[in-house]
Amino acid sequence: NAGVMQNPRHLVRRRGQEARLRCSPMKGHSHVYWYRQLPEEGLKFMVYLQKENIIDESGMPKERFSAEFPKEGPSILRIQQVVRGDSAAYFCASSPKGGQGFHEQYFGPGTRLTVT
Amino acid sequence: GNSVTQMEGPVTLSEEAFLTINCTYTATGYPSLFWYVQYPGEGLQLLLKATKADDKGSNKGFEATYRKETTSFHLEKGSVQVTDSAVYFCALGGGADGLTFGKGTHLIIQP
Repeated sequence: NAGVMQNPRHLVRRRGQEARLRCSPMKGHSHVYWYRQLPEEGLKFMVYLQKENIIDESGMPKERFSAEFPKEGPSILRIQQVVRGDSAAYFCASSPKGGQGFHEQYFGPGTRLTVT
Repeated sequence: GNSVTQMEGPVTLSEEAFLTINCTYTATGYPSLFWYVQYPGEGLQLLLKATKADDKGSNKGFEATYRKETTSFHLEKGSVQVTDSAVYFCALGGGADGLTFGKGTHLIIQP
């Protein structure tokens, strides 16, 4: 059973460009979480999605950031008009269930975004 | 809201030394507690977990006990190895769907 897959692993964008980060959850997992890790910081929750639904986007910046998890295909985190402050590692995690109670989250290797 | 505080690093130890990484938390309700480990250039791996008070999580020689009275979940290992060098994150989850992480503690084990 393949783990959580993310691509690309490294992404370089110039200021003002768009960044698209992809996450394929583990087989059988329908819940996806995105986290951002700034240098020397812990991971910060951004958004939680189920298939075709955003459940909780309380950690997502209000502007320029969006996320989707379509019925078919990977989850996409999209950052429009990137700025230098968006440079970070973005991690995706998946779980078989969500909501109340403990459900282990499995993390992907991350996408390291560098904005020049 | 929820928060996690863990000791600042880096923590440098000699091989076979005893390890403690402190973690305390603030949360409403009864969260589950976790320790994740991140090796250089990789994603996070779940190291151990505890889902209720007084539970002890253990894995690969690491242990942590869920202490509700002190709101703590300190990570311990009796004899560390060079291969334990990594960044360790304490986290909590429960009710809300995203995990809340501490800032991480960089552990360096010297031969």
